[in-house]
Amino acid sequence: QKEVEQDPGPLSVPEGAIVSLNCTYSNSAFQYFMWYRQYSRKGPELLMYTYSSGNKEDGRFTAQVDKSSKYISLFIRDSQPSDSATYLCAMKPPRGGSYIPTFGRGTSLIVHP
Amino acid sequence: EAQVTQNPRYLITVTGKKLTVTCSQNMNHEYMSWYRQDPGLGLRQIYYSMNVEVTDKGDVPEGYKVSRKEKRNFPLILESPSPNQTSLYFCASSLSGLGGSGGGPTDTQYFGPGTRLTVL
Repeated sequence: QKEVEQDPGPLSVPEGAIVSLNCTYSNSAFQYFMWYRQYSRKGPELLMYTYSSGNKEDGRFTAQVDKSSKYISLFIRDSQPSDSATYLCAMKPPRGGSYIPTFGRGTSLIVHP
Repeated sequence: EAQVTQNPRYLITVTGKKLTVTCSQNMNHEYMSWYRQDPGLGLRQIYYSMNVEVTDKGDVPEGYKVSRKEKRNFPLILESPSPNQTSLYFCASSLSGLGGSGGGPTDTQYFGPGTRLTVL
């Protein structure tokens, strides 16, 4: 079993839909959780990060962490065609732990007009 | 403009022919790293560097070398490329790599545009 599991999709939704992207993980040492967005032929860019459990909101994006279930989510409200990209989750242990983040495989999202 | 640049962007080569992929950042970042991205496997870290002359192995270092002689540059060297090194390669940098905020302002990794390598 991989340390981080992420459904590759593709996930296809109509414009305006609420999108839910998810990752599960097995390493209970992970404390920092990140979401990256990667457009076609581009490098990943950090979208959101959270520490430990809880929610974090930034505009149309909400990141949610449930450490008890080892499950993280990224919600996109009022999705737009410009949100079409691959979304990667990434995780790291706390300060003093590994400097190496563990990435999920990425979920391809397609938002059609 | 703050950026991470990689060269070349595309490269087709043959088995055994040594090659170097350059990476440069203009943000005075201490931490730099190399990743490869493969379908079904996602992003995997090859090597990273905490600062000049300080490098360490990532998850998949076999077949690769790196050097960090200057803060801004972090080249990836394939001394004898093989077909299983055909992949999409990304260089990334961040202000620090202390693993503290894990994505906070000092840890945000900026990725280059990628280098698509094919080894025949």
